[in-house]
Amino acid sequence: GQNIDQPTEMTATEGAIVQINCTYQTSGFNGLFWYQQHAGEAPTFLSYNVLDGLEEKGRFSSFLSRSKGYSYLLLKELQMKDSASYLCAVRGAGNMLTFGGGTRLMVKP
Amino acid sequence: GAVVSQHPSRVICKSGTSVKIECRSLDFQATTMFWYRQFPKQSLMLMATSNEGSKATYEQGVEKDKFLINHASLTLSTLTVTSAHPEDSSFYICSASGGAGTDTQYFGPGTRLTVL
Repeated sequence: GQNIDQPTEMTATEGAIVQINCTYQTSGFNGLFWYQQHAGEAPTFLSYNVLDGLEEKGRFSSFLSRSKGYSYLLLKELQMKDSASYLCAVRGAGNMLTFGGGTRLMVKP
Repeated sequence: GAVVSQHPSRVICKSGTSVKIECRSLDFQATTMFWYRQFPKQSLMLMATSNEGSKATYEQGVEKDKFLINHASLTLSTLTVTSAHPEDSSFYICSASGGAGTDTQYFGPGTRLTVL
């Protein structure tokens, strides 16, 4: 089975940097995704890691350590519009995604 | 590219009626589509996986006779909630992928179902 943990809520200040952690224990691993979801909307794809290391995409970076079952999403230069839920998802067999509970990020002025 | 649409975006129905939700991949062929359900302040829960032209695979605890899934073409999958009840009220989201083992899933905008 899959077990994915991430903090429930985080608060950060506009312009700052925030790191959202995700740990997982899975019976199979075929990549880890981060999605952003605003309230009442569907998730939008942010990043994908399948090899160890850091993937950078503009203000967003994602890191993976397969040996530790650990990933983080790093958001730089936070903006008010970054207030959303951030979902960590692990892909197992058959392209199936298992989602963590999501981290609700509140960005304050 | 990789646009997925859902229709309707919102639906309100009476208890006991059936509701059909459509999921379309607009600019790619989706050999695999996934249906999720999301209750307020909770994460997405996979309901079923459907491959074009074959029967859907349902997750444990999801009633296949209540949630009918049809994936008749490479661009369309439908979810029918039969004899809906208030506890079926939820946000239903589909996703689609090209089917290869490493394909990203792209999500539709979701359908908010309210059963009175």
